[in-house]
Amino acid sequence: DVKVTQSSRYLVKRTGEKVFLECVQDMDHENMFWYRQDPGLGLRLIYFSYDVKMKEKGDIPEGYSVSREKKERFSLILESASTNQTSMYLCASKTQTNEQFFGPGTRLTVL
Amino acid sequence: QKEVEQDPGPLSVPEGAIVSLNCTYSNSAFQYFMWYRQYSRKGPELLMYTYSSGNKEDGRFTAQVDKSSKYISLFIRDSQPSDSATYLCAMRSSGGATNKLIFGTGTLLAVQP
Repeated sequence: DVKVTQSSRYLVKRTGEKVFLECVQDMDHENMFWYRQDPGLGLRLIYFSYDVKMKEKGDIPEGYSVSREKKERFSLILESASTNQTSMYLCASKTQTNEQFFGPGTRLTVL
Repeated sequence: QKEVEQDPGPLSVPEGAIVSLNCTYSNSAFQYFMWYRQYSRKGPELLMYTYSSGNKEDGRFTAQVDKSSKYISLFIRDSQPSDSATYLCAMRSSGGATNKLIFGTGTLLAVQP
């Protein structure tokens, strides 16, 4: 079974803090993704990566950056957290047959 | 107009009912179609995966794709209270690694015991 894990289920941070969200997959997938999910807006793609050290902006990259130093790990960074970044953050990885698997999510609250 | 449209519901049915969930789309290049189930405060779980047109069955679940009508469906037979969740459709075209998966906004289903 594919396993995608995220470092935290719940996180509370203060405005202006630097926040790291970590994602690890154990299936040697090349493609990994970060989404945020908000009520009424659905899933929105922040960034994705199709190889180590490669990244592409998604639909809403502003205020975020990413890091992919190893194939199994994809990190999302909020350089200076703001209250409008309070959301559910979901990491996913994709097989070569285009099946995409999600992690359990991190619910981030920025106060 | 959104690329993928999905009725948000909520949809409430009695236990044992047949449930029909649907999405329409506008991009004729979509080739891969997925249904995800998402329980409250959890990540989406891949339920069904279909390539191109046709039907696929897995237990109580059947996924249908009608590319001529740009319409996909998920049927749940003998629905159970444990099926209560948000169901997301998703689709993408074939091609390079940079092709994105496009999601519907999800339909909230409640199966009443």
